[in-house]
Amino acid sequence: QSVLTQPPSASGTPGQRVTISCSGSSSNIGSNPVNWYQQLPGTAPKLLIHTNNQRPSGVPDRFSGSKSGTSASLAISGLQSEDEADYYCAAWDDSLSVWVFGGGTKLTVL
Amino acid sequence: QVQLVQSGAEVKKPGSSVKVSCKTSGGTFNSYGISWLRQAPGQGLEWMGGIIPIFRTANYAQKFQGRVTITADESTSTVYMELSSLRSEDTAVYYCARGPIIVVVITKYFQHWGQGTLVTVSS
Repeated sequence: QSVLTQPPSASGTPGQRVTISCSGSSSNIGSNPVNWYQQLPGTAPKLLIHTNNQRPSGVPDRFSGSKSGTSASLAISGLQSEDEADYYCAAWDDSLSVWVFGGGTKLTVL
Repeated sequence: QVQLVQSGAEVKKPGSSVKVSCKTSGGTFNSYGISWLRQAPGQGLEWMGGIIPIFRTANYAQKFQGRVTITADESTSTVYMELSSLRSEDTAVYYCARGPIIVVVITKYFQHWGQGTLVTVSS
């Protein structure tokens, strides 16, 4: 059971906007920045969003992140077939003294 | 261009140890923190611990305390992760990941990743 809670799956059609939620607690999301990772099938994860809403260079602006209280969300607009992947949220947990992750959300582009 | 290149796949017996390497290039070795994470088959990501080479200090998740050792060799820009007393549940892909330093937490985020090393524990 993951410390951060994500929906196991999400889907959308090309061009649509989808959001993936990530719920935590006061010891992780509530007090630390949230990062998002994208993992394409059979590959290593890739940093997608850091520090709640910052995009690394090279990440399209179709991807955006937000945080409010003990929850965060990742939004993908203009959905494309290559966005089909697993998405993970992560934050440091002050109580557990570890990085904690969501269980991952498998995004399907219909 | 940043690269983290990990050593190859390993097959180990229960009770033995495995040592995985992560050779880094691009940027200054001592300017970053490096963490080790793992992903069991079909499962999510799990942080094991990490090291800040410039401080020569490592921080481990309590779950792995006493079983994992993370070290850094500045001369070769390589970080190592050794896991002992292996059991079948340790079968996973192990990743190293580098990012900007933040003390205790090791990195602010995992900016660059190695390609992963499959460790299979089987009798």
